[in-house]
Amino acid sequence: GAGVSQSPSNKVTEKGKDVELRCDPISGHTALYWYRQRLGQGLEFLIYFQGNSAPDKSGLPSDRFSAERTGESVSTLTIQRTQQEDSAVYLCASSKIAGDGELFFGEGSRLTVL
Amino acid sequence: AQSVTQLGSHVSVSEGALVLLRCNYSSSVPPYLFWYVQYPNQGLQLLLKYTSAATLVKGINGFEAEFKKSETSFHLTKPSAHMSDAAEYFCAVSDRFMRFGAGTRLTVKP
Repeated sequence: GAGVSQSPSNKVTEKGKDVELRCDPISGHTALYWYRQRLGQGLEFLIYFQGNSAPDKSGLPSDRFSAERTGESVSTLTIQRTQQEDSAVYLCASSKIAGDGELFFGEGSRLTVL
Repeated sequence: AQSVTQLGSHVSVSEGALVLLRCNYSSSVPPYLFWYVQYPNQGLQLLLKYTSAATLVKGINGFEAEFKKSETSFHLTKPSAHMSDAAEYFCAVSDRFMRFGAGTRLTVKP
């Protein structure tokens, strides 16, 4: 597609529920990144993919968080048993290859956990 | 690991005044450095990038940044602020993934 697309744009859920956030990167971009941005704070790295592999999962906050990517395209970030502290905007970005620096961001998925 | 530190979480300037947003980096190898901007209710977009070709880098909307190895700095400047420059600005360094600073919110007063 023309840009990075994320869905849903807004998600309100109850504590304890599972949520899935989707990211469609720019076609042909082999690297895909997930970041979290809490209100008024900077970007917190979660995980990145080169192709379908995730070389670095060190940013995932807990084992409730997982992500996968298939077909070197769509990625899904799953948060199980959501907690209120998971409330944030989850940003996805893609780049031609990992480490080339120029990231293209989606507009984010705003998650609110009640 | 490489990292960046942004000095000042909030900067306020008058319209027409100089904009200076500070960023210092920590890296054991020549870094690739970036500034991204996030306008209200929009996604982040690249403002400019340094990849060792030239120490003074020009970006969009009249912004520029100078890489100073002796000071380990990559400060962002604009000679004359415009109301439309009000946004959050993030300095970043590229490693295996992009590491961002905490951000600086720029307010422009009329």
